[in-house]
Amino acid sequence: QVQLVQSGGEVKKPGASVKVSCTTSGYTFIRNGISWVRQAPGQGLEWMGWIGAYNVNTNYARKFKGRVTMTTDASSSTAYMELRSLTFDDTAVYYCARDSGDYHSGMDVWGQGTTVTVSS
Amino acid sequence: DIQMSQSPSSLSASVGDRVTLTCRASQSISKYLNWYQQKPGQTPKLLIYAASSLQSGAPTRFSGSGSGTDFTLTITSLQPEDFGTYFCQQSYSTLRTFGQGTKVEI
Repeated sequence: QVQLVQSGGEVKKPGASVKVSCTTSGYTFIRNGISWVRQAPGQGLEWMGWIGAYNVNTNYARKFKGRVTMTTDASSSTAYMELRSLTFDDTAVYYCARDSGDYHSGMDVWGQGTTVTVSS
Repeated sequence: DIQMSQSPSSLSASVGDRVTLTCRASQSISKYLNWYQQKPGQTPKLLIYAASSLQSGAPTRFSGSGSGTDFTLTITSLQPEDFGTYFCQQSYSTLRTFGQGTKVEI
């Protein structure tokens, strides 16, 4: 079955960077784009950006542009999200999610989430 | 960016009730509206895509409608397992956005 397995939780200091991985299985990696979504404690879902696993195009939310980089490694069917210059407000659960079809489709399979805690 | 607004922010209903949640976009998004359910401590689950198409495995008591700027998610007969928060999300723009969510309590 289709699975997205994310890397483990991280604790970072303000100003640091974090890189979260999302290893996929059960489907042809390059056929579906991957979005990254985060959720701060007790808050809603926030879309951070998207990467096309087939053409490596990226779309980043304006809020994160310049501070986030999304990449893929097709050889290992893995997507990565790096967020730099962390602040306390970046404390959240970070999810990767697969597009079910083309770019206009919903996100049908989600990773288990990676907790990133920013603490001094 | 396209802003998504959901109402109500929360509601309490009884088992068997018909429940309607609303999502409004700040500009036309055609039919590119998706609905997700999230239970506490769990990952979001896709329920409806393209405004009205039921995701495989989602219960048939869930249905979606709308186009342009106004959309609804209807639960025809609320079940105990339907508690949680429901989020709408537009996939019309290259910059996707979520609504703030509607919390459903039983």
